[in-house]
Amino acid sequence: NAGVTQTPKFRILKIGQSMTLQCAQDMNHNYMYWYRQDPGMGLKLIYYSVGAGITDKGEVPNGYNVSRSTTEDFPLRLELAAPSQTSVYFCASSRGQWAMQETQYFGPGTRLLVL
Amino acid sequence: EDKVVQSPLSLVVHEGDTVTLNCSYEVTNFRSLLWYKQEKKAPTFLFMLTSSGIEKKSGRLSSILDKKELFSILNITATQTGDSAVYLCATLAGGKLIFGQGTELSVKP
Repeated sequence: NAGVTQTPKFRILKIGQSMTLQCAQDMNHNYMYWYRQDPGMGLKLIYYSVGAGITDKGEVPNGYNVSRSTTEDFPLRLELAAPSQTSVYFCASSRGQWAMQETQYFGPGTRLLVL
Repeated sequence: EDKVVQSPLSLVVHEGDTVTLNCSYEVTNFRSLLWYKQEKKAPTFLFMLTSSGIEKKSGRLSSILDKKELFSILNITATQTGDSAVYLCATLAGGKLIFGQGTELSVKP
């Protein structure tokens, strides 16, 4: 199993450009999540999905959109990039809604720089 | 507003020292508290704590939760340079993880 994969690893965007951060998992997990982590800070939840076709907002959803057409993929879309979106983005997945010892599996992250 | 606060924000120790990292929380619909270790890449899971007073151990690391005081600690004994990392605390509440800002631990030889 590859686990959770993310592409690209690093990207520089100009203000106003758009892009899609890709996330895929091959563990047949129902739950998927997008987080952002600013320097020296913890992770903040952007969006999450409890299954194909179902998404919901997290703590900091403004400026982002998501879709979940398949169980495996959970892309994150930035429509009009702003400098405040410079961050490291982590995708994660989990099997279900937090049974004992359940945990989220994280992807390697995408570092995004908006200039 | 739900919040998770970690202290200290950074810590420098020497190999062999014992450290205690703190995590306090105020969240609604609390279910569990989790600790992660992050070394310049994605976080890796350490512990999940759901019940008060039950210590979880893994090698030199241990953690305990106090649900009355809304507090958890992560202990690392006989620290090694490989323990240098950011340690993240998170609470599972309402089906979502809420992270603290992290404690950056630096272990000097």
